[in-house]
Amino acid sequence: GESVGLHLPTLSVQEGDNSIINCAYSNSASDYFIWYKQESGKGPQFIIDIRSNMDKRQGQRVTVLLNKTVKHLSLQIAATQPGDSAVYFCAEQDTGFQKLVFGTGTRLLVSP
Amino acid sequence: NAGVTQTPKFRILKIGQSMTLQCTQDMNHNYMYWYRQDPGMGLKLIYYSVGAGITDKGEVPNGYNVSRSTTEDFPLRLELAAPSQTSVYFCASSHQAGGAVYEQYFGPGTRLTVT
Repeated sequence: GESVGLHLPTLSVQEGDNSIINCAYSNSASDYFIWYKQESGKGPQFIIDIRSNMDKRQGQRVTVLLNKTVKHLSLQIAATQPGDSAVYFCAEQDTGFQKLVFGTGTRLLVSP
Repeated sequence: NAGVTQTPKFRILKIGQSMTLQCTQDMNHNYMYWYRQDPGMGLKLIYYSVGAGITDKGEVPNGYNVSRSTTEDFPLRLELAAPSQTSVYFCASSHQAGGAVYEQYFGPGTRLTVT
């Protein structure tokens, strides 16, 4: 039968490496940007967010960078672990009705 | 708290059949959302609700209907199922107050196949 496999960009890293996942967003008027992690068979899970008036925000092992000039968002994961293997989505959100617009995802594969 | 729960987990429908996807949240969130996710894609917003009795269309509302009679429940109705509605459906909820933006919490999803 026809394959219905995902055709997502994939980033393969070794355990312990730092990972950088990139995202281009479309709406320069978006107020809020979020990174979600989606494991196989599960719903998206919030990782970290950043407001449009910031250019960097750090969490536990994760950092989000926002470059509004080129409408680019990145997620950096330090000391990547096998449990970080998942699909990562960036999303833009407006403060009015909090509608999320998701970007295309990136699959992160972490090898032990 | 159970968070956001969805039923059923899986369903196969024949073309033209109808069904309701159930979504319930126990976090007293005023905002609720329905998304669909096609293979290899991000989520697309179908409908959303900012409170009981208030619903509005998202990006891809055609072929679906919703209602919000209580804060907790936000069912999604498919009236005449079509193969193009084969997808994974996610319900989400969030709190909203004073213009601030809050995290959306997602349910585990319903995988629907229409044949």
